[in-house]
Amino acid sequence: DTGVSQDPRHKITKRGQNVTFRCDPISEHNRLYWYRQTLGQGPEFLTYFQNEAQLEKSRLLSDRFSAERPKGSFSTLEIQRTEQGDSAMYLCASSQWTGVNSGNTIYFGEGSWLTVV
Amino acid sequence: AQSVTQLDSQVPVFEEAPVELRCNYSSSVSVYLFWYVQYPNQGLQLLLKYLSGSTLVESINGFEAEFNKSQTSFHLRKPSVHISDTAEYFCAVSQGFGNEKLTFGTGTRLTIIP
Repeated sequence: DTGVSQDPRHKITKRGQNVTFRCDPISEHNRLYWYRQTLGQGPEFLTYFQNEAQLEKSRLLSDRFSAERPKGSFSTLEIQRTEQGDSAMYLCASSQWTGVNSGNTIYFGEGSWLTVV
Repeated sequence: AQSVTQLDSQVPVFEEAPVELRCNYSSSVSVYLFWYVQYPNQGLQLLLKYLSGSTLVESINGFEAEFNKSQTSFHLRKPSVHISDTAEYFCAVSQGFGNEKLTFGTGTRLTIIP
């Protein structure tokens, strides 16, 4: 079990450019989450998938953000026309949901740092 | 909606002294409660969780937390801290019932003083 992996770990981009982050969840985990964490704050929920279906999106996820999980395995998070306010760490997490009240543990990756200059 | 409050943004503690990191939550439904730890430049690691049953839960590295429903609290404690415990600690809640989405507090930075 290699854990949740994210790529790239660090990205510096100019304002207005597009960036894409990739997340590989723990194998066979059917749920995948994206969170955003800014300095001095706790992680904030962005969106999550169950297999390839995107089940919920936060209001934090503006139209410039899009997430996909086309084959129910890895996921990508794309930010178009980046703004300085997008600078943050983007965390991916996964879990194996087995049913209602399962209380499964969500495992986090090490995050992808984005700096928009 | 649910929310988590961690009142202490920073807690300095002498090595081998006890520590308590406070966490209070609000929710209109039953919740699951979690403590995650984040070491510098790393992602989040689960420290311990409360789902049901015994209100006192323990981690493998000496931390424990007690769920108090009447006070809507889930404070984290350790009787004797070590330098290696220096990290950011986040309390989180989820609603369960098929919705595992976590809502986090703002975190408490624990600094161990030699």
